Amino acid sequence: GQNIDQPTEMTATEGAIVQINCTYQTSGFNGLFWYQQHAGEAPTFLSYNVLDGLEEKGRFSSFLSRSKGYSYLLLKELQMKDSASYLCAVRDSGNNRKLIWGLGTSLAVNP
Amino acid sequence: DTAVSQTPKYLVTQMGNDKSIKCEQNLGHDTMYWYKQDSKKFLKIMFSYNNKELIINETVPNRFSPKSPDKAHLNLHINSLELGDSAVYFCASSPQPLNTDTQYFGPGTRLTVL
Repeated sequence: GQNIDQPTEMTATEGAIVQINCTYQTSGFNGLFWYQQHAGEAPTFLSYNVLDGLEEKGRFSSFLSRSKGYSYLLLKELQMKDSASYLCAVRDSGNNRKLIWGLGTSLAVNP
Repeated sequence: DTAVSQTPKYLVTQMGNDKSIKCEQNLGHDTMYWYKQDSKKFLKIMFSYNNKELIINETVPNRFSPKSPDKAHLNLHINSLELGDSAVYFCASSPQPLNTDTQYFGPGTRLTVL
């Protein structure tokens, strides 16, 4: 079956670093996405990994290991505005390009 | 200059009614999606159209019927609304065939069935 696991909730302090893990078991793999969703708003794209390794984009980085079915999102120099839900999604292989979504990790950044 | 827009933003209605949600994207994308996000925040794909052709049709009651008059529009019609249909419905679009194929989401329609 298709399964994506993330921690439900995390808490961190302003200015700190936090790592949000995602493990997946899917029948196909054609890339992994991280999206950010603030309460009451739409998800917005953060990062995309299709090859193993680290992708860095400002304060946010995302890592992928396809052999381990594992990814993490690293947030540095945390700010209060980073309090949000972080969704991991795997794109299925095949022509329909369906995304399989995790339940999201709710991150609370405290002062 | 809104990228993906949905109407209405809020919809409150009685059980048994029929309602429609409209979605439009001005990004020139080929693919559009409808998602349902329930109270537990689980984002579930319902339908996807590519150039007006249905390419994803998940296990969704046939009370839900999507319609794509052109590749910039994807509407969702729901018949005989039930309490369990209460959720936030997101429309999204993505380009093709760019590598990352990022999905761009509309602001969502919060449907409440009483």
